[in-house]
Amino acid sequence: ELKVEQNPLFLSMQEGKNYTIYCNYSTTSDRLYWYRQDPGKSLESLFVLLSNGAVKQEGRLMASLDTKARLSTLHITAAVHDLSATYFCAAVRRGSNYKLTFGKGTLLTVNP
Amino acid sequence: DVKVTQSSRYLVKRTGEKVFLECVQDMDHENMFWYRQDPGLGLRLIYFSYDVKMKEKGDIPEGYSVSREKKERFSLILESASTNQTSMYLCASSHARNTGELFFGEGSRLTVL
Repeated sequence: ELKVEQNPLFLSMQEGKNYTIYCNYSTTSDRLYWYRQDPGKSLESLFVLLSNGAVKQEGRLMASLDTKARLSTLHITAAVHDLSATYFCAAVRRGSNYKLTFGKGTLLTVNP
Repeated sequence: DVKVTQSSRYLVKRTGEKVFLECVQDMDHENMFWYRQDPGLGLRLIYFSYDVKMKEKGDIPEGYSVSREKKERFSLILESASTNQTSMYLCASSHARNTGELFFGEGSRLTVL
């Protein structure tokens, strides 16, 4: 059974600071996904990482994937208030093309 | 842009009622999913479908059934709603031969009294 663990689950940071959210998964997976959810809204896709060593960046967010360590990171650079949201990572068990397993989410609050 | 539309944003039902949650996608995706989201538990997969009339149980199928009579539409059915089914229900779809990226609807918040 694939398990996905995120940490931290709660993160309060000041504007301008850097931080990293970690996503570990328990069995072999070739793909890792990051989503953002604003309060009362649905999930919005941020990044899709499809191979070992993949790195993707969008604005102040950068995601990477290390399949050997079964680890993905979401790095936040110089946080701003607009990044406040819940961030989810999800993995797909190898051989299961369809079913994403999600972590419990990281609630990020960026304070002025 | 992919559009996944869920028929009801908010529903209030009584224990024992039959509940239908409808989801429609307009991008010809083969795969469709129903998740429920609860505080502290994240998203959990209820059922998914990889083709018309095909379905497969997810991690928490008990108390739910699904129907996929047309490619664009995937329905979640609660035969006899119970209070522990009060939750946010999220429908999603994906292309079978692409990256597996899910596209989500806006969600249906169900309260069972």
